[in-house]
Amino acid sequence: NAGVTQTPKFQVLKTGQSMTLQCAQDMNHNSMYWYRQDPGMGLRLIYYSASEGTTDKGEVPNGYNVSRLNKREFSLRLESAAPSQTSVYFCASSQQDVRQGAKNIQYFGAGTRLSVL
Amino acid sequence: GNSVTQMEGPVTLSEEAFLTINCTYTATGYPSLFWYVQYPGEGLQLLLKATKADDKGSNKGFEATYRKETTSFHLEKGSVQVSDSAVYFCALSGVGRRALTFGSGTRLQVQP
Repeated sequence: NAGVTQTPKFQVLKTGQSMTLQCAQDMNHNSMYWYRQDPGMGLRLIYYSASEGTTDKGEVPNGYNVSRLNKREFSLRLESAAPSQTSVYFCASSQQDVRQGAKNIQYFGAGTRLSVL
Repeated sequence: GNSVTQMEGPVTLSEEAFLTINCTYTATGYPSLFWYVQYPGEGLQLLLKATKADDKGSNKGFEATYRKETTSFHLEKGSVQVSDSAVYFCALSGVGRRALTFGSGTRLQVQP
């Protein structure tokens, strides 16, 4: 019962370094998402992918890029990390397309805690 | 745009106390409403959901009723346990929207 798997669980970067957060799901879901969680702000959508081969910006996309490598995998890349990107990052997936929002039950990974010094 | 407002925490209760966490929303049309729970060190898990007005979602003793007239989806539990200590997020999903819109979360601490 792996569900949504994120790696790494923890990461410390220096300002300007780059890294890629990995996410994989084994539920054959069409849609995948990247959120960041900051204290007192809930979760905010960074990017999402409605289906394999497509990606779209969310609420806070600046400073990030994504790749939907195949149906299972959706990675998030920080090209030049900044202290403002210190956060907990969650990947999620759902069966339905985002346009069918009413049935959009999302399943979350355990998160990646990132600190940028 | 869509938004979700939750009561601020932390909410501290004694075991077996009654729990209410308030959630109100703003959205066009008829969104679906969700409660997610996050236990320490873990990701979010769906707790319950309701997809139309007057629906009641329930799970693990928790309940919430979709109130269109008051745009609310308050979470309740009759008798909390220490194991219910977690952060609870109210969220909505509207047709045509990109993803879930979350409230800021409410931390619940249950003391023995």
